[in-house]
Amino acid sequence: DAGITQSPRHKVTETGTPVTLRCHQTENHRYMYWYRQDPGHGLRLIHYSYGVKDTDKGEVSDGYSVSRSKTEDFLLTLESATSSQTSVYFCAISKDRWGQGTQYFGPGTRLTVL
Amino acid sequence: TQLLEQSPQFLSIQEGENLTVYCNSSSVFSSLQWYRQEPGEGPVLLVTVVTGGEVKKLKRLTFQFGDARKDSSLHITAAQPGDTGLYLCAGADSNTGKLIFGQGTTLQVKP
Repeated sequence: DAGITQSPRHKVTETGTPVTLRCHQTENHRYMYWYRQDPGHGLRLIHYSYGVKDTDKGEVSDGYSVSRSKTEDFLLTLESATSSQTSVYFCAISKDRWGQGTQYFGPGTRLTVL
Repeated sequence: TQLLEQSPQFLSIQEGENLTVYCNSSSVFSSLQWYRQEPGEGPVLLVTVVTGGEVKKLKRLTFQFGDARKDSSLHITAAQPGDTGLYLCAGADSNTGKLIFGQGTTLQVKP
């Protein structure tokens, strides 16, 4: 299994509070991704990174920001959480751009915004 | 916007039955992947198909990529309770390479 951890695994927070989710990898892969998974929507890309300090937006990036100061860590921040951001968040990594079809996923973080 | 439609969304069958899951789009993809996800875990890649018409087999699972590279199917023969899970297809955009995921098919195989 690819060495990907996510923290926290579960979080309950209140509307308007900031939240940061962490993804940590031990594979030294260049590319990292944040997805959210909601019933009926599959996985949707929030942001991705193609190197340290190099990031770009995905299809559902509004309300989210990311940072990558080290190869192994990719942080996802909800500046002011809203109930619509209640979801399961997955981090993924790949060696090649978009993984040439092979992305390895972390175990996920279940976030509830009350 | 590219879309991948999976059908059916839910499937509940008895052990030993056969089933097929479909993944359809009006867009052409450079490759298509199938993932399996168990509760509380992240998706795990099962297979990648690249060539139109390509067929790949993984034990009792058969994956096919449509000739026009717009659709794919996953066929499971003699389903087992261990096949229970969420199956996701994902297509790689022909221009950008970004993965576009289908909504998923939840499969329950009853003993």
